[in-house]
Amino acid sequence: DTAVSQTPKYLVTQMGNDKSIKCEQNLGHDTMYWYKQDSKKFLKIMFSYNNKELIINETVPNRFSPKSPDKAHLNLHINSLELGDSAVYFCASSQDTEKLFFGSGTQLSVL
Amino acid sequence: AQSVTQLGSHVSVSEGALVLLRCNYSSSVPPYLFWYVQYPNQGLQLLLKYTTGATLVKGINGFEAEFKKSETSFHLTKPSAHMSDAAEYFCAVSDLKTGGFKTIFGAGTRLFVKA
Repeated sequence: DTAVSQTPKYLVTQMGNDKSIKCEQNLGHDTMYWYKQDSKKFLKIMFSYNNKELIINETVPNRFSPKSPDKAHLNLHINSLELGDSAVYFCASSQDTEKLFFGSGTQLSVL
Repeated sequence: AQSVTQLGSHVSVSEGALVLLRCNYSSSVPPYLFWYVQYPNQGLQLLLKYTTGATLVKGINGFEAEFKKSETSFHLTKPSAHMSDAAEYFCAVSDLKTGGFKTIFGAGTRLFVKA
């Protein structure tokens, strides 16, 4: 019974395509996040939602658009994919604490 | 702005030897500090955290870390390395924003354990 689950686990696509990554958490947490991990393992926060409201929006290209239909879901849509978007994208959640619970990641490869 | 510096992108130890992974932070407010571990093809898991109180914190798998305000450090140690400790380790600092925490991660340290 996975606490934070992401789909798909692997995503291979061509430049210029549009793709989405889905995330769901069954922990009852109010806050969800998207992080990007590059090839050197560096983790950078992209977005954070609290109870469906955007609260953190780092300097991310506007080709990236998060959507939170309810507090258990946070999806990431990426338009016009570029080579530099290749990375592992992690969803995470937290509740009233600073502790993050991570999904297992989505490895995006843009060819 | 908060930041985290991990000294050494790679650390190699022999099985049974002491593990020491170094982390220094910068924060304008009392920090919340963390160590996370990432095994291959997995997400990050919390090892331990410091928020307030005792400066020596114990985590899972025999790891511990000491918060030293004067040195702005939060180094991770384990007395005796095990092969299963081989993984990527991330130090992180957290800042409370409206509606939730923003966690900033260091660049990570890959721990290799030799038999």
